[in-house]
Parts: sequence; structure tokens; C-alpha cells
Amino acid sequence: GENVEQHPSTLSVQEGDSAVIKCTYSDSASNYFPWYKQELGKRPQLIIDIRSNVGEKKDQRIAVTLNKTAKHFSLHITETQPEDSAVYFCAASLFTGGGNKLTFGTGTQLKVEL
Amino acid sequence: KAGVTQTPRYLIKTRGQQVTLSCSPISGHRSVSWYQQTPGQGLQFLFEYFSETQRNKGNFPGRFSGRQFSNSRSEMNVSTLELGDSALYLCASSLPTGEFPTKGSYNEQFFGPGTRLTVL
Repeated sequence: GENVEQHPSTLSVQEGDSAVIKCTYSDSASNYFPWYKQELGKRPQLIIDIRSNVGEKKDQRIAVTLNKTAKHFSLHITETQPEDSAVYFCAASLFTGGGNKLTFGTGTQLKVEL
Repeated sequence: KAGVTQTPRYLIKTRGQQVTLSCSPISGHRSVSWYQQTPGQGLQFLFEYFSETQRNKGNFPGRFSGRQFSNSRSEMNVSTLELGDSALYLCASSLPTGEFPTKGSYNEQFFGPGTRLTVL
């Protein structure tokens, strides 16, 4: 089955700096890669995702890149703000139209310091 | 519209007991997925139900089971509880239409607040 590794497990940045979180996956057939943000005591929320036929996707201050050959994808957050502090999870799945079985990374605790 | 709801929010059980958790999806959503979240293992997929049928299954023992009703509400059951079953159990719902569950699309998957299960 699919296996997703995520690094780093904790990341501390200064407000205004950029943050990068990296994930690798094992199943070359995986075609959908979402990123979730989970604030303390709250439910995970989908913040951005990318399909395997796209190399990069951007939404305001966040972007995701995908390297299918190397089987890794990354989340980039620019101009970080205190409200970006949360746990971020990457995930991978083989979406076939018949369901979405997500395999998650173990999460990255991002702390944005003032 | 109302989001995904889960009941109960907190539960304390002892080893050997069984427990049933409930998830009510967003109105109109027909798929419900269940996840176990623990500090060490992160989020792990348990199973997915669609139109009252289990469509996908994770790598959990048979003590973990689920079902879905005709109104799309779903329950999961854990029998013979073990200490290691202590976790936050999350459910997530989506339509879906067969297209990718992209953010902002009709297929986007939304999580509930979770049920915190503590096994003593």
C-alpha cells in the first residue's frame, strides 16, 4: 500500500519568512495530493491540493509543487503570519472516481513566531 | 449549510468494552470516511461508506467496523476495546460526483470535529 513520509516534524519560522514542508510517497500510481491544516483542537481543513498531471499550484500565499519522478511534493507558505501556526498534514491517494482513500503523513507542527 | 457533526464528542471506556460512534454528514453528502488520529501515527484511514456500502477499507483489525444508513448517517463500532484504541476519531463527508475532490469543488471532503475516545 501507499506510504507517505513527511518532514520536518516541527518547524519554527519568524513572521514574514517562508516555510516549506516536504513529503514523499511510495506508490507511483497515486494521483491526488491534498494538504490539510489542523489548528489546535479543531478539525482538519483542506487548504490546497494538486493532481498528478500538474507540477505546481498556487493559492495566494500557499503553493504546492509535485515531482512525480522523484515521488515527492512540497507545501510552500510565503509571508507567514501567526495564524499560519498549526499542524499541516500531507496526503496521497489513488483516486479512481470510486472513492478517496487518503494516506496521510505524520504531520508538521508549524510555529510562526512574532 | 450545517457542517459534519459527530456524537458523542468525548467518551471514556474501559478495556474490553465496545463503543459506537456516530457521524452525520453534510446534507446531500453520500460518502462518509472514518479516520483515527493519534499523536504517534497521525491520521489513519479506517473505511469509507457510500450508499450504505463499504467502498474502501484501511488496515485495521476486524474489531473496527462500520455501517451507513439510508440517510447517509454513519456509525463506527469498536469491539473489545484496547488501550491503544484511545484516539480522536474523525469522520469526513463528501458528495461525491466521481470527479476529483478538489478544494472548492462539489466533491470537496469536509471533516467533522471528531470524537475523543479514551480507553482506561
